[in-house]
Amino acid sequence: TQLLEQSPQFLSIQEGENLTVYCNSSSVFSSLQWYRQEPGEGPVLLVTVVTGGEVKKLKRLTFQFGDARKDSSLHITAAQPGDTGLYLCAGRGSTLGRLYFGRGTQLTVWP
Amino acid sequence: KAGVTQTPRYLIKTRGQQVTLSCSPISGHRSVSWYQQTPGQGLQFLFEYFSETQRNKGNFPGRFSGRQFSNSRSEMNVSTLELGDSALYLCASSLPDSPYGYTFGSGTRLTVV
Repeated sequence: TQLLEQSPQFLSIQEGENLTVYCNSSSVFSSLQWYRQEPGEGPVLLVTVVTGGEVKKLKRLTFQFGDARKDSSLHITAAQPGDTGLYLCAGRGSTLGRLYFGRGTQLTVWP
Repeated sequence: KAGVTQTPRYLIKTRGQQVTLSCSPISGHRSVSWYQQTPGQGLQFLFEYFSETQRNKGNFPGRFSGRQFSNSRSEMNVSTLELGDSALYLCASSLPDSPYGYTFGSGTRLTVV
């Protein structure tokens, strides 16, 4: 059983399209992170959100933490081929607790 | 500053053998976590070490073990390798007591034949 459920599992879109990836749980998290991973490499941290309702923007990427701190979303505007990768959400149950990862969303952006 | 360094990058072992993987965290990071990543299961937590003590442990059999040294470098060991142990093993480090995210290494790709 996964503590964090990500959807969709796969996403294949054309360059220029917008997309949203979801990360849901029945558990409350003290913080939530989003990572991107490319083949053969480790995940790279994109953002950390800690406050319920928090919205962070990173260029064309917008991250939102749910009000109840149980869910999060990642929205990409005008996707580019360079956005291709595995997007992972990870939540920490308490300040010193371990990180729990979702299974990821594999995004492919075609030129 | 140097990132998280994992060695070796690639490894091929035979069933029944044992293997030791190494991880050097970012300077100043005292927390080191290990994950196993497979296409079917995603990232599965193995264990976390902080100041040479195992702080958290995942649901893996006793064949999987780890340790951390006084300089925060960490090693994980898998004994009696099975075909199902083939995976990308990732190490991540973080600042002490940080509520934030990890910095991952590039991983060790282990293939058991």
